[in-house]
Amino acid sequence: EAGVTQFPSHSVIEKGQTVTLRCDPISGHDNLYWYRRVMGKEIKFLLHFVKESKQDESGMPNNRFLAERTGGTYSTLKVQPAELEDSGVYFCASSQLAGGLGYEQYFGPGTRLTVT
Amino acid sequence: AQSVTQPDIHITVSEGASLELRCNYSYGATPYLFWYVQSPGQGLQLLLKYFSGDTLVQGIKGFEAEFKRSQSSFNLRKPSVHWSDAAEYFCAVINTGGFKTIFGAGTRLFVKA
Repeated sequence: EAGVTQFPSHSVIEKGQTVTLRCDPISGHDNLYWYRRVMGKEIKFLLHFVKESKQDESGMPNNRFLAERTGGTYSTLKVQPAELEDSGVYFCASSQLAGGLGYEQYFGPGTRLTVT
Repeated sequence: AQSVTQPDIHITVSEGASLELRCNYSYGATPYLFWYVQSPGQGLQLLLKYFSGDTLVQGIKGFEAEFKRSQSSFNLRKPSVHWSDAAEYFCAVINTGGFKTIFGAGTRLFVKA
């Protein structure tokens, strides 16, 4: 079974540019999450999808960040325009929908974003 | 608000020595607790989890953790460390009524020969 995949693995962009990160969850996982780790800080929750619906987006830093999950499969996280403080590692995770299994999240390898 | 504290930013142990990584949480109800490991260049891998029941839980790679409600702790242990255990370890808790994982700051483990 394939794990959570993320693309790209690294991205270097200039301040003011736009970047789109993609996450493909494990097949059949209706829960999808985005997290971010800024340099030297802890991993922070950004948002949670259940299928195509945003269940909790309380961690999104500001309106420069837009997450979508059309069709309830893969998800994209767009940063527009990027700022220096957006640099970090963006993790995606997925989990099953039902009961206790929903709490066991499987993480992707992350996308390292560098804004110069 | 829920929080997770990992008091040790980094720890160095000799190969073959025992290991204990500390984790304390602040949580109002029975928490769902996790330990993850991130090896260089890799994603986060789940080592073990505690939801309920036996407070000593076994995980992968020979790790175990003990939930102590009275101390609000969930320390990770391994009896004999291998060089391949060098990585960063994260303690985490799921928040009440949701699926938002709250992470500690991480403990980086160095293993010396």
